Amino acid sequence: NAGVTQTPKFQVLKTGQSMTLQCAQDMNHEYMSWYRQDPGMGLRLIHYSVGAGITDQGEVPNGYNVSRSTTEDFPLRLLSAAPSQTSVYFCASSGVSDTQYFGPGTRLTVL
Amino acid sequence: EDQVTQSPEALRLQEGESSSLNCSYTVSGLRGLFWYRQDPGKGPEFLFTLYSAGEEKEKERLKATLTKKESFLHITAPKPEDSATYLCAVHPSGGSYIPTFGRGTSLIVHP
Repeated sequence: NAGVTQTPKFQVLKTGQSMTLQCAQDMNHEYMSWYRQDPGMGLRLIHYSVGAGITDQGEVPNGYNVSRSTTEDFPLRLLSAAPSQTSVYFCASSGVSDTQYFGPGTRLTVL
Repeated sequence: EDQVTQSPEALRLQEGESSSLNCSYTVSGLRGLFWYRQDPGKGPEFLFTLYSAGEEKEKERLKATLTKKESFLHITAPKPEDSATYLCAVHPSGGSYIPTFGRGTSLIVHP
């Protein structure tokens, strides 16, 4: 099992550009989430999904979009990147136990 | 609103010097309290889940305990490889999927 995979590992964008962060899991988990982690702020939930076709907003959803067409994949789209979106992004999945399995993260810099 | 407060923010120990990390929480109903370990540049990794007051879990030099208002992560005779950031998260009961994370305790163990 690969667990949770994320691509890319690093990305630099210019203000206004758009991009998609990819996330995939091979554990057949229903729940998937996107977090951002900033120094001194801890992990903050951006969007989450409780199953294919179902998504909902977390604590900090503005500027981000998600979709869940399959159980395995949960991409995060930045619509028009801003410097405030410079952060480390983690994707996570969980099954019935609520234990979250995190990906290795994407370090994003917006200039 | 659910809240999780971890203390101290940072902790420096000598190898072999035992100590405890604290996670205080307020939640309307607790479904589970989770401890994760995060190494620099990596995603958090699951350590323990605690479900009810009085419960204890152990793994090598780590022991997690739970009361109705807080959880402790006890580290006995730590080694330099225990250096990491330790995160606490609470999952509420009542159908909400959204967990709340604390900001973490950064532990450094000096040889």
